[in-house]
Amino acid sequence: DAGVIQSPRHEVTEMGQEVTLRCKPISGHDYLFWYRQTMMRGLELLIYFNNNVPIDDSGMPEDRFSAKMPNASFSTLKIQPSEPRDSAVYFCASSLAGGRNQPQHFGDGTRLSIL
Amino acid sequence: DQQVKQNSPSLSVQEGRISILNCDYTNSMFDYFLWYKKYPAEGPTFLISISSIKDKNEDGRFTVFLNKSAKHLSLHIVPSQPGDSAVYFCAARPATSGTYKYIFGTGTRLKVLA
Repeated sequence: DAGVIQSPRHEVTEMGQEVTLRCKPISGHDYLFWYRQTMMRGLELLIYFNNNVPIDDSGMPEDRFSAKMPNASFSTLKIQPSEPRDSAVYFCASSLAGGRNQPQHFGDGTRLSIL
Repeated sequence: DQQVKQNSPSLSVQEGRISILNCDYTNSMFDYFLWYKKYPAEGPTFLISISSIKDKNEDGRFTVFLNKSAKHLSLHIVPSQPGDSAVYFCAARPATSGTYKYIFGTGTRLKVLA
């Protein structure tokens, strides 16, 4: 089975540009999560969706960040305008419904560098 | 304010010995705890979990211990193998009804020396 697929794997762009990160969850998974990893704060949950509906976006740092899930097989995380402090590794994860103890399955991440 | 803390950024252990990774938490309302392992350039992978109603869970070489009174979680790997070299994250879930949110620590890098 294919795992969670994220693209691009690496993104380097200049400050002020729009950045779009993409995620395809595991087929059949009902929950999708976006995380950001930094050295100082570890893995932080930004937002998660259930059946394409945002459930908790309390981790989204600023209005410059937005996330959408137009269908069950695709989600985007957008940063506009980007800033150097947004540089981090962004992970997408998905999990099954059927109990809160289902583990989350992570993609390999997008390493974002804002110059 | 980190609710889940991994105070040791790194740990080195000889192959065959026990590795003990520690995690402390501040919120007594967490009801489920997990450990994830992460290799470079890959996403974290689920390793083992424990519910707050238990104090120990074992899966092969991996055992997680939970001490609720001390708000402390530990992962034991016995015996350690070079392939265990990775970053280990502990995570906790609030007991808030219906939430699927995990709160992760900053990770501990384990190096198993051959």
